Amino acid sequence: EDKVVQSPLSLVVHEGDTVTLNCSYEVTNFRSLLWYKQEKKAPTFLFMLTSSGIEKKSGRLSSILDKKELFSILNITATQTGDSAIYLCAGREGSGAGSYQLTFGKGTKLSVIP
Amino acid sequence: NAGVTQTPKFRILKIGQSMTLQCAQDMNHNYMYWYRQDPGMGLKLIYYSVGAGITDKGEVPNGYNVSRSTTEDFPLRLELAAPSQTSVYFCASSLLAGGPYEQYFGPGTRLTVT
Repeated sequence: EDKVVQSPLSLVVHEGDTVTLNCSYEVTNFRSLLWYKQEKKAPTFLFMLTSSGIEKKSGRLSSILDKKELFSILNITATQTGDSAIYLCAGREGSGAGSYQLTFGKGTKLSVIP
Repeated sequence: NAGVTQTPKFRILKIGQSMTLQCAQDMNHNYMYWYRQDPGMGLKLIYYSVGAGITDKGEVPNGYNVSRSTTEDFPLRLELAAPSQTSVYFCASSLLAGGPYEQYFGPGTRLTVT
């Protein structure tokens, strides 16, 4: 059974801090790992990672994948209150009947206080 | 361009009632998905579709049915609603191939069964 585990489950930081969110995965025929940010309603896409060691960046957010150790991290530098959200990690299968299924972790709830 | 739309936004059902959650996308995506998200939990896949006329079960299909008569629409049917189906339901879509695999989500439907 595919499994995605995120840690920590919740995190409270002050504005300006740097945070690292962790995601480990066990996904059959792994193809890619995706990060989403969920504020009040629907998740919004952040990154998709398919290759080990290549960092993806978007402003203050960055993410990297380690396919050997089966994990990914999401870094947020100089956090702002607008970064407060649940961050979801999902592993995507790459072949067979489940090639388009994502397995989601439970998410990390990040709270950034002024 | 509306993206992925869902109706209704909120619904309260009595035990044993039935209802259909509507989902539509205007991005010409072949893949569509239904997820449920329980409090403090990640997303769980209910059903998915790889194109009109083709659907398949996800992780938690019991108590639900789907149909996909057109590329645009992917309704989710709840028969004999139970309290365990109280959740937030998200519909999503993605491109088939040759493009990004990220899933675009609708705003969600909050369902309470009492």
